[in-house]
Amino acid sequence: NFMLTQPHSVSESPGKTVTISCTGSSGSIASNYVQWYQQRPGSAPTTVIYEDNQRPSGVPDRFSGSIDSSSNSASLTISGLKTEDEADYYCQSYDSSIWVFGGGTKLTVL
Amino acid sequence: EVQLVESGGGLVKPGGSLRLSCAASGFTFSSYSMNWVRQAPGKGLEWVSSISSSSSYIYYADSVKGRFTISRDNAKNSLYLQMNSLRAEDTAVYYCARDGPGIAVAWGQGTLVTVSS
Repeated sequence: NFMLTQPHSVSESPGKTVTISCTGSSGSIASNYVQWYQQRPGSAPTTVIYEDNQRPSGVPDRFSGSIDSSSNSASLTISGLKTEDEADYYCQSYDSSIWVFGGGTKLTVL
Repeated sequence: EVQLVESGGGLVKPGGSLRLSCAASGFTFSSYSMNWVRQAPGKGLEWVSSISSSSSYIYYADSVKGRFTISRDNAKNSLYLQMNSLRAEDTAVYYCARDGPGIAVAWGQGTLVTVSS
């Protein structure tokens, strides 16, 4: 079964840039789109990146997504970190039409 | 504005049943695949089931196969999840989510299902 692996946690200071990785277990991660979701404590997830690198309206351009085929991974980069970015982030892709989630990364902005 | 509103959650005994609903608005419901995703307390997101726009294709996670049934009524802009033979490990917040393509995944606010005696 296809799996996505994320770091359990990352931390960075306000104003800095952080990158969260999402590595596919097999095949090519570039074969299917990757989405990224932000989930603040006590709230539902929201989409910050869809289809690898597209930003929904209302999501600041500090959020960007990319694919690196050489490492079979997707990345979410957040620049100019703000305290409000502190949240859990999940990557999601597909395995034969079903959704596959990464385990989630807790971002701490301190 | 896209809205997904789940309902039907609650406390149920092990072995019991529950039917979740998701009311959609703000987009052409009949054009999109829909999903149920759950999150157990303190855990990550887990995909549960998906249904294509015309109900032609339906998929389930192994953890719920044979116990849960997904369905939709495009005339009522509604998605459903019939949950039978519930177990303690089914305790979670259940979210409905609209898939793409070409647009961002949209999420509901979730409904809590607690399976306990």
